Amino acid sequence: GQNIDQPTEMTATEGAIVQINCTYQTSGFNGLFWYQQHAGEAPTFLSYNVLDGLEEKGRFSSFLSRSKGYSYLLLKELQMKDSASYLCAGMDSNYQLIWGAGTKLIIKP
Amino acid sequence: GAVVSQHPSWVICKSGTSVKIECRSLDFQATTMFWYRQFPKQSLMLMATSNEGSKATYEQGVEKDKFLINHASLTLSTLTVTSAHPEDSSFYICSARPGGRDTGELFFGEGSRLTVL
Repeated sequence: GQNIDQPTEMTATEGAIVQINCTYQTSGFNGLFWYQQHAGEAPTFLSYNVLDGLEEKGRFSSFLSRSKGYSYLLLKELQMKDSASYLCAGMDSNYQLIWGAGTKLIIKP
Repeated sequence: GAVVSQHPSWVICKSGTSVKIECRSLDFQATTMFWYRQFPKQSLMLMATSNEGSKATYEQGVEKDKFLINHASLTLSTLTVTSAHPEDSSFYICSARPGGRDTGELFFGEGSRLTVL
């Protein structure tokens, strides 16, 4: 079956770095997405990886290893506004997104 | 980036009534739109894929007669929750990709929070 696994909750300190891991099993693979969702709001796009390696975008970076079925989202210089849920989603061979349950990130001063 | 607008943002209705939620792509055409439901502290659950000019494709376990989807134009899809009951109270979100592409960024509407009394 298809499955996305990510930690339920993580806590980090303002100004620090945090890495949110995601492992995926999909029928075929057309890329891995990361979205940010603040409470009560719709998700917003952060990154899309389809090739192995690290994609950097400002304070956020995303890494993909297709052979390991693994991705991570790296957040640097954490700010209080980064407190949110981070959703990992894999796209299968039918271009359907398989969503993880999300990782709630709590930032402490 | 592309913009998807959803309306209404909040709706409270009595049990047994029907509620319509609109999803519009404001600056691009979307042959396909997706409807999700999200319960508190849970992930997005895909309900159905809305296809312009044809019937929607529903996910397993989603009642097509209860959740009516109409994708009448390339920029508008509607979800109607018929005979709503308290268990239908949830956060409903739509999304779309520009240009009918299968891959790439998915843009989400703001979401519609439905409370059924």
